[in-house]
Amino acid sequence: EAGVVQSPRYKIIEKKQPVAFWCNPISGHNTLYWYRQNLGQGPELLIRYENEEAVDDSQLPKDRFSAERLKGVDSTLKIQPAELGDSAVYLCASSLEAGGPHEQYFGPGTRLTVT
Amino acid sequence: KNQVEQSPQSLIILEGKNCTLQCNYTVSPFSNLRWYKQDTGRGPVSLTIMTFSENTKSNGRYTATLDADTKQSSLHITASQLSDSASYICVVSANTDKLIFGTGTRLQVFP
Repeated sequence: EAGVVQSPRYKIIEKKQPVAFWCNPISGHNTLYWYRQNLGQGPELLIRYENEEAVDDSQLPKDRFSAERLKGVDSTLKIQPAELGDSAVYLCASSLEAGGPHEQYFGPGTRLTVT
Repeated sequence: KNQVEQSPQSLIILEGKNCTLQCNYTVSPFSNLRWYKQDTGRGPVSLTIMTFSENTKSNGRYTATLDADTKQSSLHITASQLSDSASYICVVSANTDKLIFGTGTRLQVFP
């Protein structure tokens, strides 16, 4: 079974430029998560999707971040414009359902460096 | 405030030795507690998930314990191997389905 796929793995951009990350969850997983992980910290949830609906985006900085999950499968996370403080690893995860002891499977992440 | 605290922050042990990592949490209401292993440059991988009624769960050389009364958990690694070098993250789920992550313990196993 293929795991969660993310691309690109690495991205270096100058501040004020736009950037986009792509995630393909495990087939059949209804719930998709985007996390941001700063160096030496645990992941922080940015947004959670149930199928194509964003059910928790309370931690998403909406002035510059946007996300979509068309058709309830793949998802894209966008930052425009990027700031120096956005440098981090962006992790995508998926699970069969939210709630309860359902496993969350993480992708390898996209390491973003903003210069 | 819902928090998950882990100790130690980092740990160095010799190959073949055992070690125990600690996790204290203040998350309420409690749903489940997870331990993840995160290798450098990779996403976290689940080791164990425990609900309120479970007080121990094993996954190979990894054994997690949970004391829901004192809100403490531990992860014990037996006969460590070089491949155990990673960050170990304790994660607690509230009934709101939100996961609260600790900052992790960075373990280094030397030959």
